[in-house]
Amino acid sequence: DSGVTQTPKHLITATGQRVTLRCSPRSGDLSVYWYQQSLDQGLQFLIQYYNGEERAKGNILERFSAQQFPDLHSELNLSSLELGDSALYFCASSPMDEQYFGPGTRLTVT
Amino acid sequence: AQSVTQLDSHVSVSEGTPVLLRCNYSSSYSPSLFWYVQHPNKGLQLLLKYTSAATLVKGINGFEAEFKKSETSFHLTKPSAHMSDAAEYFCVVIPDAGNNRKLIWGLGTSLAVNP
Repeated sequence: DSGVTQTPKHLITATGQRVTLRCSPRSGDLSVYWYQQSLDQGLQFLIQYYNGEERAKGNILERFSAQQFPDLHSELNLSSLELGDSALYFCASSPMDEQYFGPGTRLTVT
Repeated sequence: AQSVTQLDSHVSVSEGTPVLLRCNYSSSYSPSLFWYVQHPNKGLQLLLKYTSAATLVKGINGFEAEFKKSETSFHLTKPSAHMSDAAEYFCVVIPDAGNNRKLIWGLGTSLAVNP
């Protein structure tokens, strides 16, 4: 158990909808990272937050957004969902460089 | 551009034989290097990390990796494979020594262990 929690575990929704994925980092970790993992694209870094501020951006679509709250939990918002957004979404928290991953949220868009 | 290359997308070994997963990186600075493992239908787990201390790094589950600056490599090894080692392995580099500590992920190596 990494200490990082993600909810929900599974999410099934329809195209065009909007969903919110939630991540609680390990106690004391200020950085949160979001990743998308799919069979065709592999593991893709989406975005990083550090202590509430956006720190780095990866291959995040404009339909996606994230934020980190004062209590350091983070949310990833996915809107106007498409079939291709079906994937595993991981968050990771980090005290410095090494990352500790949550179990992931499996999103299925039908 | 800084990058990380995992030289094999798939590696297959027999149980009890050595494992070698290869990773090369490019970096202008002294990098930090990591290996992560992902078992089927599981999240990713840190195996080991190199951050400019000893060049031979020991990780969990009997894995180790050696940082070779002259070869810009950070290959992952294990003397004797176990069935439970079957997983996807990712090499990660942080090339910058400054505040912009952007992680660069390799594409992964899928390790199969045959009985």
